[in-house]
Amino acid sequence: AQRVTQPEKLLSVFKGAPVELKCNYSYSGSPELFWYVQYSRQRLQLLLRHISRESIKGFTADLNKGETSFHLKKPFAQEEDSAMYYCALSAMDSSYKLIFGSGTRLLVRP
Amino acid sequence: DGGITQSPKYLFRKEGQNVTLSCEQNLNHDAMYWYRQDPGQGLRLIYYSQIVNDFQKGDIAEGYSVSREKKESFPLTVTSAQKNPTAFYLCASRGQGDNEQFFGPGTRLTVL
Repeated sequence: AQRVTQPEKLLSVFKGAPVELKCNYSYSGSPELFWYVQYSRQRLQLLLRHISRESIKGFTADLNKGETSFHLKKPFAQEEDSAMYYCALSAMDSSYKLIFGSGTRLLVRP
Repeated sequence: DGGITQSPKYLFRKEGQNVTLSCEQNLNHDAMYWYRQDPGQGLRLIYYSQIVNDFQKGDIAEGYSVSREKKESFPLTVTSAQKNPTAFYLCASRGQGDNEQFFGPGTRLTVL
């Protein structure tokens, strides 16, 4: 079964603390993994994707095929990072649909 | 201003009524998608269309219908057969040869 699991509904950290948002997936094949972010009153937008291997806004995510994980990390959280984060995988079939996790709300306290 | 627009932002419906949500894009994307977002459940795919005049059911298509008469437009009708229609609806589009999807601002539907 194709599934994305984000075990934490809420993650609360203080400004400057490290952040790790967990994402595990199950998929028979080699999917493409994404992290999308939804800031307050803004639309859902792409944060990063595993094939680009970029660091966006200080966030990184490494695809671990052995552990089927794609955790999102940032060494020093900022208050503006507070948002809803969704991990997603792209079905590598004709639909290219996105399969989303349930999301993790990150709250960065001053 | 390029991108995806959805209207209306808020929509209220009485039980038993059909309503249509608008989604327009000027990105020249072939593929368009409709997702439903519920608290604690992430986004779930309702319908998608890869090309004009063609569309496919997603994971939760029951009680919904779509049309794709123009490349730019992919309206979603929430019918009276949808048992729990109150939700936030997101439209997305994708360009050819890329898996990234671009999302609209969403429509919040409330059934009274």
